Amino acid sequence: QDQLVQSGGGVVQPGRSLRLSCAASGFTFSSFGMHWVRQTPDKGLEGVAVIWFDGSIKYHAQSLEGRFTITRDNSKKTLYLQMNRVRAEDTAVYYCARERGDGKYHGMDVWGQGTTVTVSS
Amino acid sequence: QSVLTQPPSVSAAPGQRVTIYCSGSNSNLGNNYVSWYQQVPGKAPKLLIYDNNQRPSGIPDRFSGSRSGTSATLGITALQTGDEANYYCGTWDSSLSAMVFGGGTKVTV
Repeated sequence: QDQLVQSGGGVVQPGRSLRLSCAASGFTFSSFGMHWVRQTPDKGLEGVAVIWFDGSIKYHAQSLEGRFTITRDNSKKTLYLQMNRVRAEDTAVYYCARERGDGKYHGMDVWGQGTTVTVSS
Repeated sequence: QSVLTQPPSVSAAPGQRVTIYCSGSNSNLGNNYVSWYQQVPGKAPKLLIYDNNQRPSGIPDRFSGSRSGTSATLGITALQTGDEANYYCGTWDSSLSAMVFGGGTKVTV
């Protein structure tokens, strides 16, 4: 079945970098847009970034101030989130999710299991 | 504060109906599709409604969605104890160029 398996979370010191991965299986990865969404008890769900099916279009949340970058490798069926200069407020559960379409928003129909990122010294 | 506004909680008896409202603005709900998600604690969200009123395969017709202007609603009929969860609305915000969500509504049966 369609599945997304995440890896790469953990504890990271403020100011350091971390890369999250999201491996897809069971569907044609290269045909779908992909999202990163994070969740905290205080802020709830927050859209982090989205990338079009072919990687040609990307959007990142303005609140990130250019610190995070979404990329994808369609040959490896894998989505990435490069997190640089992390801050305490980046502490959250991060989810990758499949967009129903090629990028323009319709809904996220397949979700990864979530990975916890904790920013702490 | 979330960009989209939802009531924090709703409750009803088994077998009854609840309606969850989601309010936004022209830059989000007013011009983009809304989707609805169900989330139980410790699990990832699950898509219930996409494109305002469409159900993915496997979602029972007890769940329905609609959008009008800058508001959207999720209806759940014939409530079951298994429907107890948090429900979120989500859409694209054209001004922010980002996904935005409501703060979530806890449904108690």
